[in-house]
Amino acid sequence: DSGVTQTPKHLITATGQRVTLRCSPRSGDLSVYWYQQSLDQGLQFLIQYYNGEERAKGNILERFSAQQFPDLHSELNLSSLELGDSALYFCASSGRLGSYEQYFGPGTRLTVT
Amino acid sequence: AQSVTQLDSHVSVSEGTPVLLRCNYSSSYSPSLFWYVQHPNKGLQLLLKYTSAATLVKGINGFEAEFKKSETSFHLTKPSAHMSDAAEYFCVVRGNNAGNMLTFGGGTRLMVKP
Repeated sequence: DSGVTQTPKHLITATGQRVTLRCSPRSGDLSVYWYQQSLDQGLQFLIQYYNGEERAKGNILERFSAQQFPDLHSELNLSSLELGDSALYFCASSGRLGSYEQYFGPGTRLTVT
Repeated sequence: AQSVTQLDSHVSVSEGTPVLLRCNYSSSYSPSLFWYVQHPNKGLQLLLKYTSAATLVKGINGFEAEFKKSETSFHLTKPSAHMSDAAEYFCVVRGNNAGNMLTFGGGTRLMVKP
């Protein structure tokens, strides 16, 4: 158990809908990262937050957004969902900036029908 | 920009035989490299990391990896495979930006035959 929690575990929704994925980092970790794992794209970095502020952006679509709250939990919002958004979404956390190790949560499996 | 290439998408070994999972990296600076393992329907677990200290890195569950700058490689090895090693393995390089983003290789699925 990495100490990173993600909810829900599974999510099934229809095209055009909006969903919110939630992540709680390990106790004391300030950074939260979101990754998408799909069969065709592999594992891709989406976005990073550090202590409430956006720190780095990867291949995140404009339909997707994220935020990190004062209690350091993070939410990833996916809107206008398309079939191709079906994937496993991972959250990871790490300590201070420059800390090399990221600890991953169990993921949220999103299925868009 | 940095990237990693995992040279084999699938590797099959017999239980008790050595494991070699190959990874080449590309980076314009001294990289931080990692191996993560993903068991079926599970999250990613850190196996080991290289961060410019010793070039031979020991990880969990008997795995180790050697950083070879001249070959830009970071291959993962284990002397004797166990059935529980069957999983997907990812070679990962850390970005050198203000953040800490990870760039993943395509993954190698390790199958262990009894």
